[in-house]
Amino acid sequence: DIQMTQSPSTLSASVGDRVTITCRASQSLSSRLAWYQQTPGKAPKLLISEASTLQSGVPSRFSGSGSGTEFTLTISSLQPDDFATYYCQQYTRYPYTFGPGTKVDVK
Amino acid sequence: EVQLVESGGGLVQPGGSLRLACAASGFTSSSYWMTWVRQAPGKGLEWVANIKRDGSEKNYVDSVKGRFTMSRDNAKNSLYLQMSSLRAEDTAVYYCARCAGNSCYFDYWGQGTLVTVSS
Repeated sequence: DIQMTQSPSTLSASVGDRVTITCRASQSLSSRLAWYQQTPGKAPKLLISEASTLQSGVPSRFSGSGSGTEFTLTISSLQPDDFATYYCQQYTRYPYTFGPGTKVDVK
Repeated sequence: EVQLVESGGGLVQPGGSLRLACAASGFTSSSYWMTWVRQAPGKGLEWVANIKRDGSEKNYVDSVKGRFTMSRDNAKNSLYLQMSSLRAEDTAVYYCARCAGNSCYFDYWGQGTLVTVSS
């Protein structure tokens, strides 16, 4: 199985901060990586696919980069709605696997 | 508007069975791979299973192989997850989700249904 790790596990930040979350895979994914945002009690929401393709309707302050085994999700200027948990997911090989999540909370 | 609505969750004893359903609307479900993802209380996301457009191919995470069966009825725009030999570690919110295009990242999700396995 492809193991996914994320760092940090928790990130404390303020509105307006630039935030970067890193996701690493135990094997090369090419670009087959997605990012999701989840708030408590809600289903995950797809933000980015193919490592860097922003989904329709997702604010442009979100961006993704990377390929192979190392990927990043960046929020250029954190907004109040962005306090949430973020997960990466690989879809290059079964079983599909998620990272353990990064919680972005209020500093 | 794409909608996925899960049902069938509840409390079940260890070793018991439960069938989850997911009703899809707002798109032609037969054109998409579909998937189940679960989330144990306070934990992260775990992919459980997916099924090809016509139901001819199914894939499962090892921990549910032989116990869970995913199926679909395209005429009813519905998905199912038959769960048997349930264990405490199967306790989770179960989400159905749509695989986007030819790739299985998940572009639409249901609201989830809670399965609790406990005596």
